[in-house]
Amino acid sequence: KQEVTQIPAALSVPEGENLVLNCSFTDSAIYNLQWFRQDPGKGLTSLLLIQSSQREQTSGRLNASLDKSSGRSTLYIAASQPGDSATYLCVGGSTLGRLYFGRGTQLTVWP
Amino acid sequence: DTEVTQTPKHLVMGMTNKKSLKCEQHMGHRAMYWYKQKAKKPPELMFVYSYEKLSINESVPSRFSPECPNSSLLNLHLHALQPEDSALYLCASSYTGTPNEKLFFGSGTQLSVL
Repeated sequence: KQEVTQIPAALSVPEGENLVLNCSFTDSAIYNLQWFRQDPGKGLTSLLLIQSSQREQTSGRLNASLDKSSGRSTLYIAASQPGDSATYLCVGGSTLGRLYFGRGTQLTVWP
Repeated sequence: DTEVTQTPKHLVMGMTNKKSLKCEQHMGHRAMYWYKQKAKKPPELMFVYSYEKLSINESVPSRFSPECPNSSLLNLHLHALQPEDSALYLCASSYTGTPNEKLFFGSGTQLSVL
């Protein structure tokens, strides 16, 4: 069974820092890797989706990479802002509807 | 319209009540999902509908009854729930349900069972 681990569990940084959130997974036979953002008591917003044949995706200040051989993905956030404060979830996709969620990194960016 | 809309946003119910959660999307997606999320835990898959047919039931107790009346609508009927069923219930959709697709989540229904 796929297991997804996220490090660190929590991160608190001042505004303007560049951040790296780490994700590792046990089964390299994943179809894709998604990074989601979740605000307290809210649903999940998809940030980036990396297909198994891709190595990275970029959207604005966010860049996500995928290394299937080592079972790792990273989410890089440039020039962090207080509005980036949320929980970031790394999710491995396999068969229909079966997503394997990490427990998340709770990010706080203070002004 | 790239939204998945869930109603109600909040629901408080007693253990003898019957209530329903509703989920709607107008993106033409043919796969829809119910997830349950407890505080500070990742979401857990409950049901998957593909082309209006139930394709996955993750051994969910029968007090939860899903229904997919059409391709845009997904309901979750609740009856005789327990306090431990209190959680955030999330609906999601994707284009056809194949593995490489992006998932779109609603903002959830926060359910409290008294």
